[in-house]
Amino acid sequence: EDKVVQSPLSLVVHEGDTVTLNCSYEVTNFRSLLWYKQEKKAPTFLFMLTSSGIEKKSGRLSSILDKKELFSILNITATQTGDSAVYLCAVTMNYGGSQGNLIFGKGTKLSVKP
Amino acid sequence: KAGVTQTPRYLIKTRGQQVTLSCSPISGHRSVSWYQQTPGQGLQFLFEYFSETQRNKGNFPGRFSGRQFSNSRSEMNVSTLELGDSALYLCASSFTGWNSPLHFGNGTRLTVT
Repeated sequence: EDKVVQSPLSLVVHEGDTVTLNCSYEVTNFRSLLWYKQEKKAPTFLFMLTSSGIEKKSGRLSSILDKKELFSILNITATQTGDSAVYLCAVTMNYGGSQGNLIFGKGTKLSVKP
Repeated sequence: KAGVTQTPRYLIKTRGQQVTLSCSPISGHRSVSWYQQTPGQGLQFLFEYFSETQRNKGNFPGRFSGRQFSNSRSEMNVSTLELGDSALYLCASSFTGWNSPLHFGNGTRLTVT
């Protein structure tokens, strides 16, 4: 069965800390891995990763994919209270030739205390 | 550019009723996907439409159906509602679905009593 597992499920840190969120996957015919941030309603897109070892960065956030070990990490440096959210990892497969079908992990709930 | 718009934002229905949810994708996006989000199961894929055709379908009963119109707007219908259908229903759109990330709407919160 295809699955995506995120860890930890929840995390509490203080402003200024650096955090690493983990995502491992077991899917057939992997295509890409995506990270989303969900604060209240709509998950907002952060990164899409398709190649191993290539780090993607956006401000204080960065992510990398390891297709050999089947995992990805999301790093957030110098955390701020505005980073408090649920971070979702999702995987797409080549089956059906479509990226509309995402398999999501359960998410990591990050709480950043002032 | 306007984002993905879902209506209504909230719905309360009783068991046995049916409901229709609406989604307007980002302008130019032709792929629309629907997801169900619950605390226990997280986000689960319902189906995807592209150019008015269902391209993929998740593992949900036939009570869940959808369609897409020529302007890419999509509707999702749930018939014979059950208590377990209470959830946040999220719609997402992308340009083609090929290597283009999904952009989500704010969802419709459905409560079945």
